Amino acid sequence: GQQLNQSPQSMFIQEGEDVSMNCTSSSIFNTWLWYKQDPGEGPVLLIALYKAGELTSNGRLTAQFGITRKDSFLNISASIPSDVGIYFCAGRTNAGGTSYGKLTFGQGTILTVHP
Amino acid sequence: DAGITQSPRHKVTETGTPVTLRCHQTENHRYMYWYRQDPGHGLRLIHYSYGVKDTDKGEVSDGYSVSRSKTEDFLLTLESATSSQTSVYFCASSNRENTEAFFGQGTRLTVV
Repeated sequence: GQQLNQSPQSMFIQEGEDVSMNCTSSSIFNTWLWYKQDPGEGPVLLIALYKAGELTSNGRLTAQFGITRKDSFLNISASIPSDVGIYFCAGRTNAGGTSYGKLTFGQGTILTVHP
Repeated sequence: DAGITQSPRHKVTETGTPVTLRCHQTENHRYMYWYRQDPGHGLRLIHYSYGVKDTDKGEVSDGYSVSRSKTEDFLLTLESATSSQTSVYFCASSNRENTEAFFGQGTRLTVV
């Protein structure tokens, strides 16, 4: 089946530093999503990308949908302690029909922020 | 946030016993999904539903069945639990109209 390769697997950074993580795939996706998961909770949507080349921001977060439609990255600027968690990328191959919402997830990036 | 709740939140069961996990949403969402989360694998889709009584398999459906008799409820059943099904299970729901999936808080299942 389809696979997303997410990197890095983990990051240990100091508060105030910028963070970058990315996902790559051998398959084309029509939608890229970025989720954050706090301990003991379900994933929460951070950013959704629907067009190749699209660059979208949500506060200190910026994500881009790669031109080839096979990759996406997420940047977090000026990290703070509450950014700690697991970040997942997810891709969807089509946006219609009965398969809407079927997502392929990356393995996750565990982010630790030291005060 | 979408009103989506899972029950139970934690369960320990013995190998070979049947187990049913429940997902309940109050958003009248058409689509519902069951994922499992395991270290190093992210989340993987088990089954999903695109309407009442309409379900289909995901990528890791072996050993699982689902039912959806009402819009708001989506049940996941492990017919005969195995240790490989020890995992954290997440339910999600969405509408097709420009909404992405909202996830429940998860059910941690341990099969001993």
